[in-house]
Amino acid sequence: GAGVSQSPRYKVAKRGQDVALRCDPISGHVSLFWYQQALGQGPEFLTYFQNEAQLDKSGLPSDRFFAERPEGSVSTLKIQRTQQEDSAVYLCASTPRTVPRDYGYTFGSGTRLTVV
Amino acid sequence: GNSVTQMEGPVTLSEEAFLTINCTYTATGYPSLFWYVQYPGEGLQLLLKATKADDKGSNKGFEATYRKETTSFHLEKGSVQVSDSAVYFCALFYSGGYQKVTFGTGTKLQVIP
Repeated sequence: GAGVSQSPRYKVAKRGQDVALRCDPISGHVSLFWYQQALGQGPEFLTYFQNEAQLDKSGLPSDRFFAERPEGSVSTLKIQRTQQEDSAVYLCASTPRTVPRDYGYTFGSGTRLTVV
Repeated sequence: GNSVTQMEGPVTLSEEAFLTINCTYTATGYPSLFWYVQYPGEGLQLLLKATKADDKGSNKGFEATYRKETTSFHLEKGSVQVSDSAVYFCALFYSGGYQKVTFGTGTKLQVIP
């Protein structure tokens, strides 16, 4: 597609519920990033994929967070047993293999997760 | 590690006032620098960028100059409009290798008529 697509746009989950957030990257993009943006904060890195390989998951806040990209295209971020502190906007971005210095990341519109 | 520090907001200005939002960074090597803007209820949009020392990025009347000697990338606009009300994020990025973007915490700008 033309841009990074994320779904759902909004998600309300009851505490303890599992959720799955989807990211469709730009076609042909090798790298994919997930970020978490809490209210009033800047985006914080969660995890990074190159094709289907998850090369860095150092930003995942707990073992309740799990991300996958099994075929090197669409990615899913899963949060198990959601807690109120998980409420945030989850952003996805993708890049080609070779990224020039002036490349401006294009982010999806994000999924706003509210845990009640 | 890499980090970005922005001035805290909110910044409240009258229409047509001059805007400066300060941004400084800590990084090894020579990152690229960006400003992103987030309008209410919308996603992040790239506003401008600069890739090397003394480069000036500009867009929509906004400007920022990459100052290596002061490790700064301050955002400026000569005359703000109500429609500029948004949250502004400074960010840095390394090309090549692992291409993670590091963001500042954001500065909220409110422009009043």
